[in-house]
Amino acid sequence: AQSVTQPDIHITVSEGASLELRCNYSYGATPYLFWYVQSPGQGLQLLLKYFSGDTLVQGIKGFEAEFKRSQSSFNLRKPSVHWSDAAEYFCAVGARSSGAGSYQLTFGKGTKLSVIP
Amino acid sequence: ETGVTQTPRHLVMGMTNKKSLKCEQHLGHNAMYWYKQSAKKPLELMFVYSLEERVENNSVPSRFSPECPNSSHLFLHLHTLQPEDSALYLCASSQGQGPLMNTEAFFGQGTRLTVV
Repeated sequence: AQSVTQPDIHITVSEGASLELRCNYSYGATPYLFWYVQSPGQGLQLLLKYFSGDTLVQGIKGFEAEFKRSQSSFNLRKPSVHWSDAAEYFCAVGARSSGAGSYQLTFGKGTKLSVIP
Repeated sequence: ETGVTQTPRHLVMGMTNKKSLKCEQHLGHNAMYWYKQSAKKPLELMFVYSLEERVENNSVPSRFSPECPNSSHLFLHLHTLQPEDSALYLCASSQGQGPLMNTEAFFGQGTRLTVV
């Protein structure tokens, strides 16, 4: 079965600094990879996704992520963080739950981002 | 309204109560999902409906009972819950149910459930 690891539970950065959130996945085939953001009291909003093709994907709000098959990673980056980026970020892998099972998203535990003004 | 809408946003219920959570999507999607989000735990997939048929039930206790009367509506019926069931319940929808389809999921804002 697939799994997702986000090794950083909480990250604090200064406004204007660069950001990288780590995500590692475990899956036997080429995965479908996603990053979602959740603001307090809100649902999840998709930032970006990787299905195939160019391994560097651009998302909304100035975020990008790079798929590295050799490292089983899909790290999220932003060159300059804004105070409004403070939220919780979730990496997810999309795959079948089992051979003939339904297609579903498996999420990491999330990384909470705090931004210092 | 657009997107995925969940009602109520907040719910407090006793362990002997019966309540229902409602989810409605206006995106024309044909797959809907219930997730449970507890503190310090990953989002847990509870149920998957594709074309109004339940295709996944991830070992969820029977005190949670889903219902999908049509492709736009999804309910989660609750009865005799336990305090550990307190969590944020998120509904999501997607177009299709498989790797050849668009598997991007759109989420509602969730229902914050507290069981007392």
